[in-house]
Amino acid sequence: AQKVTQAQTEISVVEKEDVTLDCVYETRDTTYYLFWYKQPPSGELVFLIRRNSFDEQNEISGRYSWNFQKSTSSFNFTITASQVVDSAVYFCVFSGSARQLTFGSGTQLTVLP
Amino acid sequence: KAGVTQTPRYLIKTRGQQVTLSCSPISGHRSVSWYQQTPGQGLQFLFEYFSETQRNKGNFPGRFSGRQFSNSRSEMNVSTLELGDSALYLCASSLETDPSDEQFFGPGTRLTVL
Repeated sequence: AQKVTQAQTEISVVEKEDVTLDCVYETRDTTYYLFWYKQPPSGELVFLIRRNSFDEQNEISGRYSWNFQKSTSSFNFTITASQVVDSAVYFCVFSGSARQLTFGSGTQLTVLP
Repeated sequence: KAGVTQTPRYLIKTRGQQVTLSCSPISGHRSVSWYQQTPGQGLQFLFEYFSETQRNKGNFPGRFSGRQFSNSRSEMNVSTLELGDSALYLCASSLETDPSDEQFFGPGTRLTVL
């Protein structure tokens, strides 16, 4: 069975600071996908980024970047120059052969003005 | 393009009753998944439907059931409600059933069981 661990329950930063959200996963699947979703106070989950298991190239998309390391089963997500609107719960999510999303417990990010 | 819609948004029921929640996927999406979100258990997968067939089921009791119609709209039903069923129920749709597919989530139905 898959497992996703987000050790950080809550993080608070001041606006314009960079913040990294940690994610560690466990799986026996050889092909899988990792996602980050954001859940603002409205409740609707919003897709942010996706990475597949056979591509460890790290990327940057606007203020978002991610660091995928298969050797340590980690998929960390960084927001650069955080903004108040980034305040939300962030979920690291696994999708593999079982074709069901496995969510981490979430990290509550609060960006203070 | 309209997003995923869920009705009703809020629901209050009493123990022992049953409830039906509805989900309309994004136009063209054929896969619909349901998730339960609670403070204690987090987000958990309930089941997935594709082309009117249940493709996958999570670890929930048989009181939780669902179906999908030919227009891809889906319903989930919970019978004999228990207090622990109080949760936010989220529906998500995707084009197909590939694990790489991005799932688009609806706003959820907040169910309170008294």
